[in-house]
Amino acid sequence: DTAVSQTPKYLVTQMGNDKSIKCEQNLGHDTMYWYKQDSKKFLKIMFSYNNKELIINETVPNRFSPKSPDKAHLNLHINSLELGDSAVYFCASSLWTSGESDEQYFGPGTRLTVT
Amino acid sequence: AQTVTQSQPEMSVQEAETVTLSCTYDTSESDYYLFWYKQPPSRQMILVIRQEAYKQQNATENRFSVNFQKAAKSFSLKISDSQLGDAAMYFCAYRSAWSGANNLFFGTGTRLTVIP
Repeated sequence: DTAVSQTPKYLVTQMGNDKSIKCEQNLGHDTMYWYKQDSKKFLKIMFSYNNKELIINETVPNRFSPKSPDKAHLNLHINSLELGDSAVYFCASSLWTSGESDEQYFGPGTRLTVT
Repeated sequence: AQTVTQSQPEMSVQEAETVTLSCTYDTSESDYYLFWYKQPPSRQMILVIRQEAYKQQNATENRFSVNFQKAAKSFSLKISDSQLGDAAMYFCAYRSAWSGANNLFFGTGTRLTVIP
């Protein structure tokens, strides 16, 4: 059984389009994340949701809008795609525990290519 | 924000030999967690090992062990008896122990090549 799944795994689209990436976890976790990995392999947090509420919103363009319909899903919608949005986007999930080294489980990533 | 530095963009090791990957971090917090993640060509992020800052004992997972030096803010990964399957990007990551911040801060990664 896949713990954290993302769809699609590959996405090729043109500048100016709007696209969504879906993420689902079946681990019973209450916290989900979106990370972006750029062309130099650098990974950076974008958003964090706990129990469907936004906890972290790093400095990302407001063209990026996360949506969490329930604790098991965190989707990422991107408006007006730009060339610089090309990257691999990772979804992750974990349990929100205070002071515990809970593991974050990552999805397989979505490679977004904007042409 | 915390910063994590991996000063070795690339490393190579002979099969069956030992290699150490370096990681340093900058934080003003006293309690936190450190991780090493492996990313093979499949792109999947895999947790290799983790260390709680309040524990003095270095974490060990089979062939993987860490050298955690809290005062020096250093967290290196030692891979013993290297195998071809160890070839991957390795990322060092930091997480605050503060309950309001569960996200990971990653280093820039070290690409490990294993030579047969």
